[in-house]
Amino acid sequence: GENVEQHPSTLSVQEGDSAVIKCTYSDSASNYFPWYKQELGKRPQLIIDIRSNVGEKKDQRIAVTLNKTAKHFSLHITETQPEDSAVYFCAARWGAGGTSYGKLTFGQGTILTVHP
Amino acid sequence: DSGVTQTPKHLITATGQRVTLRCSPRSGDLSVYWYQQSLDQGLQFLIQYYNGEERAKGNILERFSAQQFPDLHSELNLSSLELGDSALYFCASSYSGEKLFFGSGTQLSVL
Repeated sequence: GENVEQHPSTLSVQEGDSAVIKCTYSDSASNYFPWYKQELGKRPQLIIDIRSNVGEKKDQRIAVTLNKTAKHFSLHITETQPEDSAVYFCAARWGAGGTSYGKLTFGQGTILTVHP
Repeated sequence: DSGVTQTPKHLITATGQRVTLRCSPRSGDLSVYWYQQSLDQGLQFLIQYYNGEERAKGNILERFSAQQFPDLHSELNLSSLELGDSALYFCASSYSGEKLFFGSGTQLSVL
């Protein structure tokens, strides 16, 4: 099965700085890579995702890059704000269709703290 | 609001007991997923159902079982509960199999 490693486990930045979280995956057949944000006491919410046929995707202050050769993908948050403080999870879906369809394997999470 | 409804929000029970967690997916979503979240294990995939059929299984204990009913709601049954089963249990639903929408979770405390 898929294994996803996420680093760092905690990240502390000043407001306005950039934050980068990296994940590596084990199965080269993985083809979909979402990122979820979970605020304290709340449910995970999808913030951005990328498919394996795309190298980069951007949505306002957040972006995701994918390096299939190295089997890693990263979340970039620019101009961080205190409300960006949360736990961020990366995930990978391996396989294409069949029983593996939609089965996401999550990284261990990164606690991001943005100091005002 | 994700459109995924989970009940109950909190559940406190004793070791050895059995509980049922319920999930109603977003309207139109055929897939339901169950995840367990504990502090040291992150989000662990338990099981997936698609239109009433089991589609994928993760590291789900034999004491745990689930099903999806014809109206697409799903139930996760946890039996012979142990202290280590205390966790936040999330249900998620999806139409495409990619974007998962999570419910608010059920916080299970086993005393």
